[in-house]
This record gives sequence, structure tokens and C-alpha cells, in this order.
Amino acid sequence: AQSVTQLDSQVPVFEEAPVELRCNYSSSVSVYLFWYVQYPNQGLQLLLKYLSGSTLVKGINGFEAEFNKSQTSFHLRKPSVHISDTAEYFCAVKDTGNQFYFGTGTSLTVIP
Amino acid sequence: GAVVSQHPSWVICKSGTSVKIECRSLDFQATTMFWYRQFPKQSLMLMATSNEGSKATYEQGVEKDKFLINHASLTLSTLTVTSAHPEDSSFYICSAPRQGAEAFFGQGTRLTVV
Repeated sequence: AQSVTQLDSQVPVFEEAPVELRCNYSSSVSVYLFWYVQYPNQGLQLLLKYLSGSTLVKGINGFEAEFNKSQTSFHLRKPSVHISDTAEYFCAVKDTGNQFYFGTGTSLTVIP
Repeated sequence: GAVVSQHPSWVICKSGTSVKIECRSLDFQATTMFWYRQFPKQSLMLMATSNEGSKATYEQGVEKDKFLINHASLTLSTLTVTSAHPEDSSFYICSAPRQGAEAFFGQGTRLTVV
């Protein structure tokens, strides 16, 4: 089974400041990597995904992530956050099967 | 638009009653669907894998007689929480994988058992 680690459970950041949410995974085999955002009492919305190709992936809402195979990381970044970015963020890994493995989530709070 | 629709979005029921949650793939066929449970401030925990035309596969520790899963068609999977108790109160989310590795998630169902 895969293991996904999100080291930061809570990240407070001031509005318009940059942010990085960290994600590391355990697998040494080929995987697909995802970042999802969840707003209160809602399902998960895909922010971005890495399947293959360029290691820098751009997603919606100005987010991007970089796949680093040697460090088995897939950190999420945004150069300038907005109040509306306040939400829960989940990193996920999918192997060659259909099952997703989720990290424990990072609660991002943007402070006005 | 949403490609996986989950209904209802919230439900309150009395202890001892059963509740059915539906998960539909709207514009694609899903031979497999996943059901997750999420406790407050925690991640999604896989409960079971729903397989069209065959029995569901349950994760360790999940009671198959309490959480009945039916995947009767290629676009619909249902989760029935039988004889619900307050400890079953949680947020339940379904997902369906689609060709190309991505999975789509339903909007979730907030179940409150009183």
C-alpha cells in the first residue's frame, strides 16, 4: 500500500503572501499524483494532477506543484493567496490500480 | 459541471433506521466506485470498493452487514447504512475513476443520527 505524508496539518498565511503545502509519498514505483481541495461540507475538487511529462504542473486557481522523483515529493505552491483559498487540501497518490491513497490533509487559513 | 452526483447532500435520521446514499456517474460508465468516510478534521478513509455486477470489497474493520453496497448498474452505486446509530454520524463521499487515471468525487453526504 502507498503512504502519503502531509507534514503540515495547519498552515496560516497572510493574504497575498506565498504558500507551500508539502506532500511526500512512499512508493518507488510509478504513481500518479494529485492535489484536491475541499471546502466545508463539500466533496473534493481536483486542483491539479501529475501523470507524466513535465514535472511542473499547473492547476486551477493559480496553484502549481512540482513532482520530484528523487525526493518522492509533490509540494503544492501558490505565489499569492486569497481569502477564498481558505480550505482543506489533500494530497493523493494513485498506483497502477484504481485506488487512491490520501494524506491527512492540510488546513490552509488565509488571514486578511 | 459535476460528473459524479451524490444524493442526498445531508440527512438526519433517527437511531435504528436505515439511510440510503446514492452515487451516480453522470457522463461516463463506472464499473468501480469507491466509498469513503471522513471524520471531522481528518482524511478520507476508504470503506469499500463497489464493483458493478459483483460483491463489494470491504476494507478491514468495516462491517459489511451495516454498510450495504449495491452497484446495480454502470452509473449507480448505493450505500445503505442499516440500523444507524449516533457513532455512524459522519461525512460519506463516493468517487468513480475514469479513464486517464483521474477520479471524480461526489459532493459528499453529511449523515447525522439522532
